[in-house]
Amino acid sequence: GQNIDQPTEMTATEGAIVQINCTYQTSGFNGLFWYQQHAGEAPTFLSYNVLDGLEEKGRFSSFLSRSKGYSYLLLKELQMKDSASYLCAVRNRGNNRLAFGKGNQVVVIP
Amino acid sequence: DTEVTQTPKHLVMGMTNKKSLKCEQHMGHRAMYWYKQKAKKPPELMFVYSYEKLSINESVPSRFSPECPNSSLLNLHLHALQPEDSALYLCASSQVNGELFFGEGSRLTVL
Repeated sequence: GQNIDQPTEMTATEGAIVQINCTYQTSGFNGLFWYQQHAGEAPTFLSYNVLDGLEEKGRFSSFLSRSKGYSYLLLKELQMKDSASYLCAVRNRGNNRLAFGKGNQVVVIP
Repeated sequence: DTEVTQTPKHLVMGMTNKKSLKCEQHMGHRAMYWYKQKAKKPPELMFVYSYEKLSINESVPSRFSPECPNSSLLNLHLHALQPEDSALYLCASSQVNGELFFGEGSRLTVL
């Protein structure tokens, strides 16, 4: 099975940096995904980690440590449009099961 | 084409009705998914199809019946639903080990 944990809500100022953490336990790890979801919209893909280390994509970076069952998403130079829910999701090896954590609501204020 | 298209966008049905949600993708993805999402909650996995075969059923009640007629289409047949089944139903597709692309969802209200 899978157990994925994320903190629930944070507020940050425009231009700041925010880090969103995700811890997981799974019987067969095959990749961790980060998604962004604005209210009333579908989730959109942000990043993917399957090996340890940092993946950077513009203002967003994601880090993975498989031995610690831990990932974080780093959002830099926050913009108002970054106000959204950020979801981490873990894939199981062998069956394509992708389960989401509870999500972290980020509110960006001027 | 990087879209997953879901119809209808909104559906209101009574508890005795039979209706279907439809999902279509033309990205050549061989895995397709149904998720259910309640307000302020993450998506919950319901079903996964891999190569048009049902590979995961997350103990979903039989009043929800998935169908994958071909590699581009995924349906969710609904019958005798309960008011607590009201939610946003999200379809997604992916390459077998790739990221999921989500449709905009079908917002279902059961009266």
